[in-house]
Amino acid sequence: DAKTTQPNSMESNEEEPVHLPCNHSTISGTDYIHWYRQLPSQGPEYVIHGLTSNVNNRMASLAIAEDRKSSTLILHRATLRDAAVYYCILHDNFGNEKLTFGTGTRLTIIP
Amino acid sequence: DAGITQSPRYKITETGRQVTLMCHQTWSHSYMFWYRQDLGHGLRLIYYSAAADITDKGEVPDGYVVSRSKTENFPLTLESATRSQTSVYFCASSELASGTPRNGYTFGSGTRLTVV
Repeated sequence: DAKTTQPNSMESNEEEPVHLPCNHSTISGTDYIHWYRQLPSQGPEYVIHGLTSNVNNRMASLAIAEDRKSSTLILHRATLRDAAVYYCILHDNFGNEKLTFGTGTRLTIIP
Repeated sequence: DAGITQSPRYKITETGRQVTLMCHQTWSHSYMFWYRQDLGHGLRLIYYSAAADITDKGEVPDGYVVSRSKTENFPLTLESATRSQTSVYFCASSELASGTPRNGYTFGSGTRLTVV
C-alpha cells in the first residue's frame, strides 16, 4: 500500500479554519484519498474522500494537489468537537477493499 | 435507528477462555471488517469479509476466528484469549461503489476487551 505522511499533532484556535496536510508522494493513479477522524473513545468516522478534484461536503473540504502527491483537509471553522485524530488514507479501488490506517494527526482545538 | 452495533461494550475475560465479540449492521453492506486498536500500533486489520461465507485474513489474524453466515452479522471469536489480545476492537462495514465506498466505511463504537 502507498504510504502517507502526516504531522503527529497540530493545534488550532476555536472558530478558525484548520488545514491538515498529508503527503503521499508514491500515490498511484487508482488510489483514492480518504480522510477519517476518531474522536476520543469512539470508532473512526468517515470525513471525505476524493480522487483528483477538490471535494466539499458538510463536514469539510478536501484540496488535492495537481500532481496528487499531497492533499489538505480543511475544516472551515473549527469547534471543540473537532478535536480528534485525523487519518489520511490511500485506498486502491481495484480489488483492495481494506483501509490501512497510519498514526494520523492529533488535532487540539484551543478555546 | 439503523447502523452498526457492537456488543458487548466492555468485556473482562481470563486467559485461555473463549470469547466472542458481536457485530451487527442493518444496511446489508457487503463488506465487513474487524480492527484492533492498541497504543503504539494504531488500527490494525484482523479479518474482513466481502460477503456471506467469504472471509479473508488481515494484518494480524493469529488467535482469531471469524464467520459470516448472514450478511448482517460478523462475529469475532478469540479461541483462547491471551493478555496480548487486550485491546479495543472495532467492527466496520461498507458498500463499495465503483471500487471505493460511496459514503466511506462505517465503524461501530468498539468493544474494550481486557484479558487477565
